[in-house]
Amino acid sequence: EVQLVQSGAEVKKPGESLRISCKGSGYSFTSYWISWVRQMPGKGLEWMGRIDPSDSYTNYSPSFQGHVTISADKSISTAYLQWSSLKASDTAMYYCASLLYGNWFDPWGQGTLVTVSS
Amino acid sequence: QSVLTQPPSVSAAPGQKVTISCSGSSSNIGNNYVSWYQQLPGTAPKLLIYENNKRPSGIPDRFSGSKSGTSATLGITGLQTGDEADYYCGTWDSSLSAVANWVFGGGTKLTVL
Repeated sequence: EVQLVQSGAEVKKPGESLRISCKGSGYSFTSYWISWVRQMPGKGLEWMGRIDPSDSYTNYSPSFQGHVTISADKSISTAYLQWSSLKASDTAMYYCASLLYGNWFDPWGQGTLVTVSS
Repeated sequence: QSVLTQPPSVSAAPGQKVTISCSGSSSNIGNNYVSWYQQLPGTAPKLLIYENNKRPSGIPDRFSGSKSGTSATLGITGLQTGDEADYYCGTWDSSLSAVANWVFGGGTKLTVL
């Protein structure tokens, strides 16, 4: 079964750093890009950026460029989303998804809830 | 505010048909494939339609997709209460930078009355 499994929920304070993960299984992890998608409470889906796990090439949405870092370790079939200094406004559910053939997302991870509060 | 425009909400009775529109431009829908996603309450999004009108394995033929020019439409027939969810369209957009960025519509909440 092709699936993406994300790391568990996180509760952090403003200014702290964080890295969440997304592990792929059941397929060749380097064959398809991985994207990260943010969903703020009660809001819609926002594409943050994507990485090609085969060579770690990344591109970011202009809205997220400079605010997060996307990386991958193909040896363990895992992609990451990282913040160096969290803000309260980063509180959201974050999903990873495999971008199949560059044109649609399937499957999706189960989501990682990040809560940033003092 | 998304570059893809969807109605915030639609509603219909069980057994009826509903359509959800997704309006864009030549920099996104007009020159790229559209996909649709269903997000049931409290769950991750799920792929419903890809490449404008194709259904993944396991998606019933009550769900259909179409595209014309710079707009796309999701159709759902034989509505069931289990179809109550948020629906999102998505595609690539090249209006903001030299490198294309993926964009989602704002989402449409379907209520089955």
